Amino acid sequence: QKEVEQDPGPLSVPEGAIVSLNCTYSNSAFQYFMWYRQYSRKGPELLMYTYSSGNKEDGRFTAQVDKSSKYISLFIRDSQPSDSATYLCAIPGVSSNTGKLIFGQGTTLQVKP
Amino acid sequence: NAGVTQTPKFQVLKTGQSMTLQCAQDMNHNSMYWYRQDPGMGLRLIYYSASEGTTDKGEVPNGYNVSRLNKREFSLRLESAAPSQTSVYFCASSDVPGKGFGPGTRLTVL
Repeated sequence: QKEVEQDPGPLSVPEGAIVSLNCTYSNSAFQYFMWYRQYSRKGPELLMYTYSSGNKEDGRFTAQVDKSSKYISLFIRDSQPSDSATYLCAIPGVSSNTGKLIFGQGTTLQVKP
Repeated sequence: NAGVTQTPKFQVLKTGQSMTLQCAQDMNHNSMYWYRQDPGMGLRLIYYSASEGTTDKGEVPNGYNVSRLNKREFSLRLESAAPSQTSVYFCASSDVPGKGFGPGTRLTVL
């Protein structure tokens, strides 16, 4: 079983839709959870990070962590064509204090005008 | 403030050739990383350097070597390239909890 799993999609939605992107993880000791956005032929950029359980909101983006289910989500409200990208969840490894990240496979999102 | 820069952007090699991918950061981060990204595999860690003068293996180190030249620079070397090393390579530097990624190097090995 992979430590972090993510449905690769692709996911296609109309402009204005609410988008839900999800990852599951296997190690209950994980504490930090991150979401990266990667535009085509670009490097990933950190979108949001959360610590432990609960929600974190930043504009149209909300990151949610459910530690009891080992499930993390990223919600995008009022999605825009400019949100079309690949979204990767990432979690720092528990046994390392060096900042190594374990990435999900990434979900490709297309928002159609 | 350029962040993380990588050279070259694109490279085509023949099997058995060698090359070095260069990475530099101007954010004064201690930790630097090399990842590869393949379709359906996400990003996988090749090597990392927690501080100047130290390097450690990541998830997929075979076929690669690294050098942490100084605090700013971290290079990745392919001594004898193989088609399985065709990938997009990303360098990153860290200021926990986030990371800054470079723009990537697209490498094709024929």
